[in-house]
Amino acid sequence: NAGVTQTPKFQVLKTGQSMTLQCAQDMNHEYMSWYRQDPGMGLRLIHYSVGAGITDQGEVPNGYNVSRSTTEDFPLRLLSAAPSQTSVYFCASSRGRSSGANVLTFGAGSRLTVL
Amino acid sequence: AQTVTQSQPEMSVQEAETVTLSCTYDTSESDYYLFWYKQPPSRQMILVIRQEAYKQQNATENRFSVNFQKAAKSFSLKISDSQLGDAAMYFCAYFPGDNNDMRFGAGTRLTVKP
Repeated sequence: NAGVTQTPKFQVLKTGQSMTLQCAQDMNHEYMSWYRQDPGMGLRLIHYSVGAGITDQGEVPNGYNVSRSTTEDFPLRLLSAAPSQTSVYFCASSRGRSSGANVLTFGAGSRLTVL
Repeated sequence: AQTVTQSQPEMSVQEAETVTLSCTYDTSESDYYLFWYKQPPSRQMILVIRQEAYKQQNATENRFSVNFQKAAKSFSLKISDSQLGDAAMYFCAYFPGDNNDMRFGAGTRLTVKP
């Protein structure tokens, strides 16, 4: 089925380790983004991309890197994991930003625990 | 920065009854978009309803409708004939368009009692 695929669904890391959360969409969406969800805080934007080769920071970018080499893929890299990065991460995509195109399709989420 | 406030951390409703979830937002923009997303225990985020600020008519999707008050910056969600499957976290979101972020509220957990 078409949609946004995130891997892995669960991951446990030790403080200081690095890892990459993968995100792929097969809907030819231009806009992709990463959010983190923490209890009582809703979803907060980490990084986003408006097209291949273009990325920008969101509300909480520190400790994370992204790249967008293809339209389909938007990986999120944790450079040196910290316990404060324990969260549920969501990747989302949309056709664009304009009216009719800006409805986000979300992946199933990735639960990350940093010990 | 634009903020979205959901003042009800938890709500409950009897099956078949009606419930209204509140959302307010802060913005200086005149044109923007508002959304309600549902997150059931499966964790999947699902779009419930969408409203464009330039449209005065309130959006409706089957049992879900909104009360959009632009001057008051209020965007409440009404769920009619509540069903057990409506139990979920509900997030209000604001999006100004162009090169800006979508902002989410903290969420309201809705319980549906049989």
